[in-house]
Amino acid sequence: KAGVTQTPRYLIKTRGQQVTLSCSPISGHRSVSWYQQTPGQGLQFLFEYFSETQRNKGNFPGRFSGRQFSNSRSEMNVSTLELGDSALYLCASSTQSSYNEQFFGPGTRLTVL
Amino acid sequence: QQQVKQSPQSLIVQKGGISIINCAYENTAFDYFPWYQQFPGKGPALLIAIRPDVSEKKEGRFTISFNKSAKQFSLHIMDSQPGDSATYFCAASKSGKLIFGQGTTLQVKP
Repeated sequence: KAGVTQTPRYLIKTRGQQVTLSCSPISGHRSVSWYQQTPGQGLQFLFEYFSETQRNKGNFPGRFSGRQFSNSRSEMNVSTLELGDSALYLCASSTQSSYNEQFFGPGTRLTVL
Repeated sequence: QQQVKQSPQSLIVQKGGISIINCAYENTAFDYFPWYQQFPGKGPALLIAIRPDVSEKKEGRFTISFNKSAKQFSLHIMDSQPGDSATYFCAASKSGKLIFGQGTTLQVKP
């Protein structure tokens, strides 16, 4: 089985812009979670989607949003980018029966200038 | 509020030695405790995981020891190899939301 794929792998944006990141889960996985990884804050949970519905949400401002499509692919959007949003954004997928067992993609490295 | 505390921050071990990384959690509602391994430029890879009804789980050279009463769990890497050099994260989960420790950078010297 192919693993979790994320596109693009690298992005450079400027403050105030918005960005959309994409994630394709492992085939058959219907749950998709997003995490932000920074040197200072480590790995932090953003949100989780299952069957096109947000099921869980972390403590991030409303500028961070996401959605899931009927084929389980997911996107996350960050509006009005700030310098502090520079991070590695990771997507993880899991099955409904083993939703804790999450498999991560390679991430999208976002740099905000 | 840090719910999962991980130590040490960095660790240097000789080839063939035992690497030990410790984690402590606060929320007794957590019901799943995985360890992830991350190499530079890669996403975290699930290494091994345990549920609180089990005190130990072993997979190859990797063992999780779990102490429910102390709310602590640890990863032991036996016969550590240079290829094990990576960053290791413990995590705790309830309902699919993973809370990660701050990570341990392991260097195994040949």
